[in-house]
Amino acid sequence: RKEVEQDPGPFNVPEGATVAFNCTYSNSASQSFFWYRQDCRKEPKLLMSVYSSGNEDGRFTAQLNRASQYISLLIRDSKLSDSATYLCVVNPISSGSARQLTFGSGTQLTVLP
Amino acid sequence: NAGVTQTPKFRVLKTGQSMTLLCAQDMNHEYMYWYRQDPGMGLRLIHYSVGEGTTAKGEVPDGYNVSRLKKQNFLLGLESAAPSQTSVYFCATSSNDRATYEQYFGPGTRLTVT
Repeated sequence: RKEVEQDPGPFNVPEGATVAFNCTYSNSASQSFFWYRQDCRKEPKLLMSVYSSGNEDGRFTAQLNRASQYISLLIRDSKLSDSATYLCVVNPISSGSARQLTFGSGTQLTVLP
Repeated sequence: NAGVTQTPKFRVLKTGQSMTLLCAQDMNHEYMYWYRQDPGMGLRLIHYSVGEGTTAKGEVPDGYNVSRLKKQNFLLGLESAAPSQTSVYFCATSSNDRATYEQYFGPGTRLTVT
């Protein structure tokens, strides 16, 4: 079983739509969770961290369910510029002082005009 | 302030050739990482370094070597390239700030081994 699993998509949605991505992780002791965004043929960049209480950044809302080992990302009022691959990322507790991250394989989103 | 840079951006090698990928950072970060990214596989950690003069193996280290002689540079070497090493290689850095685990990535190197 992969440490971090995501639905690869693709998700094709019209502008203005609301879209949600889900991710599950296998290590119940994981402590830190993130969503990264990767544009086509570019490097990944941090979109937002995910906190236990849930957090919002503009049109983006991230949720964490530790009991189910499940992370979600909700994008409201989708824009063309949101088209990208969204990577679910976990800091496994076993990484210790090395601060390693484990990346999911990503969910591809295309927002259509 | 360039952040994280990688050299070269593209390279084509023949099987058995060697090459070195250079990662340079001006962020004064302690931690540096080399990843490879293949379709459907996500980013996989090859080697990493927690400081100048130190290196350690990641998830997929076979066929690669690394060196961190200076804090700002992290080199990835392929001694005898194989077609299975065709991939996009990303370097990343992070600080030792306890408040964040954010990693900052270079633009990537696209390597094809024929």
